[in-house]
Amino acid sequence: GQSLEQPSEVTAVEGAIVQINCTYQTSGFYGLSWYQQHDGGAPTFLSYNALDGLEETGRFSSFLSRSDSYGYLLLQELQMKDSASYFCAATGGGNKLTFGTGTQLKVEL
Amino acid sequence: GAVVSQHPSWVICKSGTSVKIECRSLDFQATTMFWYRQFPKQSLMLMATSNEGSKATYEQGVEKDKFLINHASLTLSTLTVTSAHPEDSSFYICSAPDNLRRSYNEQFFGPGTRLTVL
Repeated sequence: GQSLEQPSEVTAVEGAIVQINCTYQTSGFYGLSWYQQHDGGAPTFLSYNALDGLEETGRFSSFLSRSDSYGYLLLQELQMKDSASYFCAATGGGNKLTFGTGTQLKVEL
Repeated sequence: GAVVSQHPSWVICKSGTSVKIECRSLDFQATTMFWYRQFPKQSLMLMATSNEGSKATYEQGVEKDKFLINHASLTLSTLTVTSAHPEDSSFYICSAPDNLRRSYNEQFFGPGTRLTVL
């Protein structure tokens, strides 16, 4: 089976930097993705790491360490609109995604 | 580009009835689509992989006779919840990768269908 664990909730102030961690136990692991989901909405793709290291996309960066079965999403210059749920997801065979437990991010003034 | 739609966006039905949910890729062809279920404040759980031209493959614990999947064309997959019961009430979401134009690792999600069974 596969499992991906995330903190359930993170709170930060506007303009700050926040890191959301993801630890996983999977078989047939190809890479780690991150998705954002606002309440009642569809998940939207943020980033994907197939190899170890840091991927940067604007205010968002994502990191993967295969040897540690660990990854994180880094959000910089937080904005109120970043308040949402964030999910890591492991890509397995057949391009199937197994989602993490999810982290609710609350951005405060 | 790479837009996925779902219909209906919400549905309320009586216990024992069947409900069909459509998932369409609007501007790309999807040989594979995925169906997920999400309960309130929880994560997305993969239910099944919908394959155009062949049978769907179901995740462990998902009843294939209860959740019927038909991938009718390269742009349409349907999920039918048969003999729905209140415990089937959930948010059902589909996704598809756009293999040709975008990274195969990025999946595009539909807006979801909220099913309430009375």
